[in-house]
Amino acid sequence: ETGVTQSPTHLIKTRGQQVTLRCSSQSGHNTVSWYQQALGQGPQFIFQYYREEENGRGNFPPRFSGLQFPNYSSELNVNALELDDSALYLCASSRGGLAGGYNEQFFGPGTRLTVL
Amino acid sequence: EDQVTQSPEALRLQEGESSSLNCSYTVSGLRGLFWYRQDPGKGPEFLFTLYSAGEEKEKERLKATLTKKESFLHITAPKPEDSATYLCAVLNSGNTPLVFGKGTRLSVIA
Repeated sequence: ETGVTQSPTHLIKTRGQQVTLRCSSQSGHNTVSWYQQALGQGPQFIFQYYREEENGRGNFPPRFSGLQFPNYSSELNVNALELDDSALYLCASSRGGLAGGYNEQFFGPGTRLTVL
Repeated sequence: EDQVTQSPEALRLQEGESSSLNCSYTVSGLRGLFWYRQDPGKGPEFLFTLYSAGEEKEKERLKATLTKKESFLHITAPKPEDSATYLCAVLNSGNTPLVFGKGTRLSVIA
């Protein structure tokens, strides 16, 4: 069973640029959630995708957008990067269930984004 | 607004010294409370889901309990490999997203 993978591992961008982060979900999982984790903080929910449809969104501006593909892999796109976007971006996959797509989430290792 | 507060922020234990981590929450209706472990530079690792007050779950040296206002993660006879940040998250019964606490950074010294 393949775990959740994310690419790239690290990324450095400058303010105003755009970035795309990628996530491959665990085999058998149909739900993917994205989180932003600043240093010393807990993860903050960005949005969730279930069977290619957005299934919930946190308090993030529209320049954060996403996509889920038929194989349940996913992308996170961030436009017009700001310095405060520097963080660890985590992807988590799950099968859904009683607590929706949040139960028994398996997280990837994350992408460390630095905005200069 | 849903809130999750974890205490203490950091905890240093001697190997074998049992203790508890606290997660206090404020939600209009709890749908689920989750515990995760996060090692430095890695994504969180799922530990437990608790759904209702009075529920308990165990895994090796860890035991999670839940009341209507808080959850405890009890660590019995910890080992150095238990050193990590432990995160708590709650899911409201409404259509609101999962909310994480800031975590408790646990260090177990041999």
